Amino acid sequence: NAGVTQTPKFQVLKTGQSMTLQCAQDMNHNSMYWYRQDPGMGLRLIYYSASEGTTDKGEVPNGYNVSRLNKREFSLRLESAAPSQTSVYFCASSASRQGATEAFFGQGTRLTVV
Amino acid sequence: AQSVTQLDSHVSVSEGTPVLLRCNYSSSYSPSLFWYVQHPNKGLQLLLKYTSAATLVKGINGFEAEFKKSETSFHLTKPSAHMSDAAEYFCVVSDRSSFQKLVFGTGTRLLVSP
Repeated sequence: NAGVTQTPKFQVLKTGQSMTLQCAQDMNHNSMYWYRQDPGMGLRLIYYSASEGTTDKGEVPNGYNVSRLNKREFSLRLESAAPSQTSVYFCASSASRQGATEAFFGQGTRLTVV
Repeated sequence: AQSVTQLDSHVSVSEGTPVLLRCNYSSSYSPSLFWYVQHPNKGLQLLLKYTSAATLVKGINGFEAEFKKSETSFHLTKPSAHMSDAAEYFCVVSDRSSFQKLVFGTGTRLLVSP
């Protein structure tokens, strides 16, 4: 079972470069999320998509854009990378439209911006 | 808005001794609560979840947690630590005000010595 798959696993960018992080899930989940993880801060929500065709800002959306391409795929784009965006990025998905169900996470993308 | 506080950033135990990781939450509604574990350089795995059924929740690998509404707590315990339990643990809350958004604590790193 693949679950949630993120690509790439590692990336180094120069300041000002752009890139897209890809995420796909094969569990037929409605909701998908992008989080960033920084030391001592837990995971913070960047953007989420409650269902196909909708996206909403999370706690830390500045400098990012997202696209819910279809039910399976949810991409995160950095238009002009900054050193403050150095982090580990996690994509996640969950099943339910109503009420909270657990989220399933990808293995993460470790991004360094120099 | 809901929030969660993990009271210890680091907990050190000896192998074979009990584990207690503390978590307090804040929520205006009936919350759903989760514990996730993250091993080094890995993604997050669900340990257990509480969603208004039994207040004592059993999870994987011998972990359990008790929901105490009067104390707004959801502490994670294990009777006997194993070396493989060394990891970072996140307490997570969600309620109907957040519509699927999981709010993470800052994490507790569990160190297990021989």
